[in-house]
Amino acid sequence: QKEVEQDPGPLSVPEGAIVSLNCTYSNSAFQYFMWYRQYSRKGPELLMYTYSSGNKEDGRFTAQVDKSSKYISLFIRDSQPSDSATYLCAMNNPAGGTSYGKLTFGQGTILTVHP
Amino acid sequence: DTGVSQNPRHKITKRGQNVTFRCDPISEHNRLYWYRQTLGQGPEFLTYFQNEAQLEKSRLLSDRFSAERPKGSFSTLEIQRTEQGDSAMYLCASSSTSGPLREETQYFGPGTRLLVL
Repeated sequence: QKEVEQDPGPLSVPEGAIVSLNCTYSNSAFQYFMWYRQYSRKGPELLMYTYSSGNKEDGRFTAQVDKSSKYISLFIRDSQPSDSATYLCAMNNPAGGTSYGKLTFGQGTILTVHP
Repeated sequence: DTGVSQNPRHKITKRGQNVTFRCDPISEHNRLYWYRQTLGQGPEFLTYFQNEAQLEKSRLLSDRFSAERPKGSFSTLEIQRTEQGDSAMYLCASSSTSGPLREETQYFGPGTRLLVL
C-alpha cells in the first residue's frame, strides 16, 4: 500500500463548477501538506501548502487538512478551463535529521474543465 | 531569478548507454532534490543535497545512478548502462532553508524526459 493515495480520475467538470480533490495518507508523522499543479510535459508548480491541521484559502483555492482522519483536500471554486491540469498532493515529515526535505507525492488527479 | 533549469529537456538513448542530466537550482537555494516521474504517477524521491553534501538516497537509486553537486550550486545526475525501465521524466527541485517557508517550498524545474530504446 502506498503511503499517499490519490484518485487518478480523470475528473471532468463544466466551467464554473466547484472541484474537490482529495488524498489520504497512512504516515501519521507527516506534518506539511502541499498541492502542486502540473501541466502536460511541465514540472510541478506549487499551489498551496499547509502546516498540520486546518484550512487555508488563497483566491479560488482552499486547502484543508484533517490529521485525525489522515485526509487532505483541495477545493477550486469557479473553475476555469485554464485549471485543466494534473493536481498532485505532496507531504513531508519534519522529523529532523536527513529526512526533512523528502516529499512523498500522490499519484495525481487529472482535471479537465470544459467551457 | 530565472527559476530552476534543467538540461537537456529531452534525451533519447539506446539501452546500455550512459546519460548525464544537469540541474541549475534557483540561485542561493542550498537544497537540491532529484525526483523521477513515470507516466500516470506522481514524482518519486531519488536523492537530495544540502550544499554539496548528499544527505539522503532512495532505494530507487540503484548503483547505476550517481548524483553530484560538487560546489553546492548545479547538480548532475548520471545513469550508467541505461535500461528501458529508466525511461521517465527526471525532475529537479530546489529550496532554501532560510526564509519564512524554509525547506517546505520546493520549486521544480521543467524536467528532463528520458527515453531508452
